[in-house]
Parts: sequence; structure tokens; C-alpha cells
Amino acid sequence: KAGVTQTPRYLIKTRGQQVTLSCSPISGHRSVSWYQQTPGQGLQFLFEYFSETQRNKGNFPGRFSGRQFSNSRSEMNVSTLELGDSALYLCASSFGGVTGELFFGEGSRLTVL
Amino acid sequence: GENVEQHPSTLSVQEGDSAVIKCTYSDSASNYFPWYKQELGKRPQLIIDIRSNVGEKKDQRIAVTLNKTAKHFSLHITETQPEDSAVYFCAATPSGYSTLTFGKGTMLLVSP
Repeated sequence: KAGVTQTPRYLIKTRGQQVTLSCSPISGHRSVSWYQQTPGQGLQFLFEYFSETQRNKGNFPGRFSGRQFSNSRSEMNVSTLELGDSALYLCASSFGGVTGELFFGEGSRLTVL
Repeated sequence: GENVEQHPSTLSVQEGDSAVIKCTYSDSASNYFPWYKQELGKRPQLIIDIRSNVGEKKDQRIAVTLNKTAKHFSLHITETQPEDSAVYFCAATPSGYSTLTFGKGTMLLVSP
């Protein structure tokens, strides 16, 4: 079956702009989590959506937001971009009911100039 | 919330040697501990996981041990091969949660 798909794969923005990233989970998965990956900081949790509701949220400013649609696809938005937002943004899907394996997408690499 | 510390940040070994990566966690409620491998330019993938009702789990050349009293768990790779070169992440979470708290990763380099 198809894996987790993220679009776009690469994008370049300038400070102050906003960006929207998309994630299509594995069919049947209802949970989508977003992580920010930067060198030396590992994978930092942004938020998790389950059945269109935000279930958990990490310690990121309000400029980072997300949503989930009825088909489980998810988007995350970053407004007023800062240089420090440059990172690989990974989404991961799972069934969401029981703690278990997360299936990651290949990520969206954001560069802020 | 949970905090996961991972050591070392980099590890270089010769092919055929063993490699050990250690993690500690802070939340005593955590009971699921997975390990993910991320090859250069690829997505993280689960390689092994352990739950708190067991102390050790093996899968061919990799094994994970868990000490809940001390709140630490370790990944052991035996007979390392160049294709084991990657960044390895440990993680922890309480039961019922779909989100994971990750360590900062260990870059393992296996030299032929």
C-alpha cells in the first residue's frame, strides 16, 4: 500500500512569509503527527491530529498551526517565517488507537532566507 | 513532560565490532520505547521496540534492553556492517499516546 506522502518536498521562502505543508497518511491511519528535524536537535514534536482534532501539542509558538481533514490528510502552516524555521518537517501516521509504530513521510525541507 | 537523553552523539566503529547507544528518560509513566534508523536523506524507520513488561528483545543482530528502575534503555548492534551507518533515534512515550519524545540522535559510522 502507498506510504505517507508529503508535499512539497523542497521549498524556499523569505522571512515574514507563510508556508503550508501537506501530508497524506497511509490509508486507514487516523493519526497524523508533525515533527521538526534540525541538525543537533533531533526530532521535535509539533502536534498530533486524530479524527480532525488536535490531540497533543508540543512547545512551539502559535505561528505553527495545523489541521486535519475528514479523509485524515493533514496540513501544517507556519506564519511570519523566521530564519530559525529552516528545517526538515516530517509527518508520521499511525492508527492512533494503540501506542505503536509511526510511519514517516520523506519530509518537506523548508529553507527560509 | 517526557525528556529523553541520548548518548553518544556520534559513534565510529570498525566493521564487525559491536555498537551500543544509550538513552535515559524522565517520565516514569513511559512504557513504550522504540528505536528508529534514519539513513542519509531517507525517512526514519522503526527497527525495534520494547515495552515495559519485558527487559530485553532481540531481532537478529540488534537488541534492546530496558531498565525501568534506572529509567534507561539501550540499543545493541553486533557484527556491525557498513550498511548500519545511519542516525539512530531512541524515543519514549506513555501507553495510549501516539506521539513520541525522541532523543537527539546518534550518528553511527561503520568503517570497512
